[in-house]
Amino acid sequence: DAGITQSPRHKVTETGTPVTLRCHQTENHRYMYWYRQDPGHGLRLIHYSYGVKDTDKGEVSDGYSVSRSKTEDFLLTLESATSSQTSVYFCAISGFQGRDEQFFGPGTRLTVL
Amino acid sequence: AQSVTQLGSHVSVSEGALVLLRCNYSSSVPPYLFWYVQYPNQGLQLLLKYTTGATLVKGINGFEAEFKKSETSFHLTKPSAHMSDAAEYFCATNYGGSQGNLIFGKGTKLSVKP
Repeated sequence: DAGITQSPRHKVTETGTPVTLRCHQTENHRYMYWYRQDPGHGLRLIHYSYGVKDTDKGEVSDGYSVSRSKTEDFLLTLESATSSQTSVYFCAISGFQGRDEQFFGPGTRLTVL
Repeated sequence: AQSVTQLGSHVSVSEGALVLLRCNYSSSVPPYLFWYVQYPNQGLQLLLKYTTGATLVKGINGFEAEFKKSETSFHLTKPSAHMSDAAEYFCATNYGGSQGNLIFGKGTKLSVKP
């Protein structure tokens, strides 16, 4: 298994509070991604990173920000959580954007009350 | 816009029966294609992928898929379903290069009846 961990694995928070999710990899892969998974929508890309301090928006980036200060860590922040951000969040990594498969972490289940 | 369509959000088969999960992509250029499987409360695991070359791709757990450019399809098959195949399956595509982020279908949940 690819060395990807996510923390926390479960979180319950209240509307309006800030939340940070962490993705950590031990594979030294260049590309890292954050997705959210919701019933009936499959996986949707929130943000991705193509190197340290290099990030870009995905399909559903509103309300989310990311940071990557080290190759191994990619943080996803909800500045002010809303109930619509209740979801399961997955981090993924890949060595080459495009032709390479992505390897997924175990996911974080976030509930915003 | 690039897209992936998976026909059937739920598919149910009997143990030992053929599994066929359908995936169609929209593309004007040759795509890269992937099938992932997700077991309950887990992340996604790659089953197989097509990039170039042979159009019949074999993956893990006895699954295979055939890239048919004329039909813009990449259907997933397994000759004989096993109870352990019950999971959700996602088809995904990208077009390589610097814009090569994956685009996922909405998923097909496979149930296997004893």
